[in-house]
Formats: sequence, C-alpha cells, structure tokens
Amino acid sequence: TQLLEQSPQFLSIQEGENLTVYCNSSSVFSSLQWYRQEPGEGPVLLVTVVTGGEVKKLKRLTFQFGDARKDSSLHITAAQPGDTGLYLCAGDNYGQNFVFGPGTRLSVLP
Amino acid sequence: KAGVTQTPRYLIKTRGQQVTLSCSPISGHRSVSWYQQTPGQGLQFLFEYFSETQRNKGNFPGRFSGRQFSNSRSEMNVSTLELGDSALYLCASSLVSSSYNEQFFGPGTRLTVL
Repeated sequence: TQLLEQSPQFLSIQEGENLTVYCNSSSVFSSLQWYRQEPGEGPVLLVTVVTGGEVKKLKRLTFQFGDARKDSSLHITAAQPGDTGLYLCAGDNYGQNFVFGPGTRLSVLP
Repeated sequence: KAGVTQTPRYLIKTRGQQVTLSCSPISGHRSVSWYQQTPGQGLQFLFEYFSETQRNKGNFPGRFSGRQFSNSRSEMNVSTLELGDSALYLCASSLVSSSYNEQFFGPGTRLTVL
C-alpha cells in the first residue's frame, strides 16, 4: 500500500516568517501535486512537479520534487495570513490512482 | 473554462435515507473521481469513473455507488445513510490523455446525517 506522509501536521507562525512543509513516501510517483484547501471548500491545485529534482516557484511559494521522485517540499517565504489553510500533497501512481497525504494545517497569524 | 461543479453544496438527511450527489467535470475531462473527507480520516478515495466505467474503487461498503454518463457527468449515491457518513464529499476531474495527470476538485457537497 502506498502512503504519503506529511510533516508537520500543524504549524502556527507569525506573518512574515518562513516555513517548509514536507511530503514523504517510500514509493516512486510519476508526478506529485500540491493543493491548498480552505474550510468547507475543495482543494485548489497549486502546482504539479514531474521531473526528479525539479523546482517550481509560484510567487512566494517554492516547490521541490526529490531526485528519486519519492518526496517533495513546499517552502513559503514571508508568510501572509492569506496563506492559511490545509496543504495537501498527492502522488500520481503512474495513472493508476492518486495517493493523498493527511495534510499540513497552516495558520499564519497577523 | 468552467471548473468542476457539484450539486447540491449542502445536504441534511436522516439515518436510513439515501442521497444522490452530482458532479460535472471540466469540459473535455473524461475521468471523475470521488472522495470522502472527514476531520479524522482525511481524504479517502471512493471510486473513479472513466468513459462511463468504474476504473478504480476504494475500500468503502456497497452502500456507496456511482455512475458516469456519456457526457462525463457523474453521480454518487449513498443508501441507508449512517451518522458516520457525515462528511465533505469531493469530486475531482482529470484529463487522462495528458503526459501527466492532474486532478481538479469541485467545491464539495457537505452532507450532514442526523
């Protein structure tokens, strides 16, 4: 059974701080997605990383896919209250299915 | 291009009743997946439909069923509702023909079972 672990589970920081959340697995994925979800809403796709070692930037968010395509990280620079939400990673098992991590709940305090 | 839509957004039912949820995928997307999300269990995969056929199925009882129509719209049905079925039900569509797959989620249907 494929599993994705995310750490930390919860994170509460002050506005302006930097943070990194991690998504780890023992399985190799063909691609990996990061989502942000707000309460009562569906997850919104932030980025897809495909190539081992790939780094993608989305404004203050930097996403990295591990060289072996088993893990990923999301780094946020100068966090803002609008970054608050549940961050989910999901691995694509070569088109067979998607495996979701349990999420990291981020709270950015003004 | 319009996103994934789900109806209704909110639903209140009582134990023993049955419910049908609807999902319209992004135009051109032929794969529709359903997930149940609860605070304790996170996102759990229910099933995936592709070209009107169930392609994958998660570990849920037979009370949970679905179907997909020729226009790719999908419905999910839960019969004999239990209190534990209260959850946010999410639908996601994807374009399977691309070199890699991405899922796009709808806003969800919040089901409350009393």
